[in-house]
Amino acid sequence: NAGVTQTPKFRVLKTGQSMTLLCAQDMNHEYMYWYRQDPGMGLRLIHYSVGEGTTAKGEVPDGYNVSRLKKQNFLLGLESAAPSQTSVYFCASSSRGVRETQYFGPGTRLLVL
Amino acid sequence: SQQGEEDPQALSIQEGENATMNCSYKTSINNLQWYRQNSGRGLVHLILIRSNEREKHSGRLRVTLDTSKKSSSLLITASRAADTASYFCATDTGGGNKLTFGTGTQLKVEL
Repeated sequence: NAGVTQTPKFRVLKTGQSMTLLCAQDMNHEYMYWYRQDPGMGLRLIHYSVGEGTTAKGEVPDGYNVSRLKKQNFLLGLESAAPSQTSVYFCASSSRGVRETQYFGPGTRLLVL
Repeated sequence: SQQGEEDPQALSIQEGENATMNCSYKTSINNLQWYRQNSGRGLVHLILIRSNEREKHSGRLRVTLDTSKKSSSLLITASRAADTASYFCATDTGGGNKLTFGTGTQLKVEL
């Protein structure tokens, strides 16, 4: 039982490049979330999903897209990376949304030059 | 500004001492959660307290909630070096499937 895993762990991009971050969970959770963490800002919600095939915008969705084609996977895409997207990205999942515990992945550190 | 704000921003104590950190929030909540983050790692859930609860315990952790003051506190008793981490509160305000995180308290427990 791996919990929540994220791929890759670290990536360097040049401005304008694209990439996809993968989040996978093996707990059969309905809810999945993508956050970014910046120094002094806490975690901010980018996008989330309440079930397979659904996605919704969070607090800071601009510049990102997501897809939830399979229940266990939640993909975060950057179509044209910008230096402002340099951050640590965390994925989380939950069985009952915000009413219960969120389980977090180890994070992906992204540097955009 | 953040829905949840922790106080203090940083706290340094000796092993064996108690550590108290506070979280204040602005709007009414359904529940409040505390998470721990070790350096370079993901967040780990500690305790969830619902709006109709006033106190919860889990091992050496004690969380209180005062909805009239819109505040919560996390007490770690008999701290250990392994408790060194950042601690975040997160609130469910009922405005959708979203938790709003505070900026965290950095706790350092020295031997």
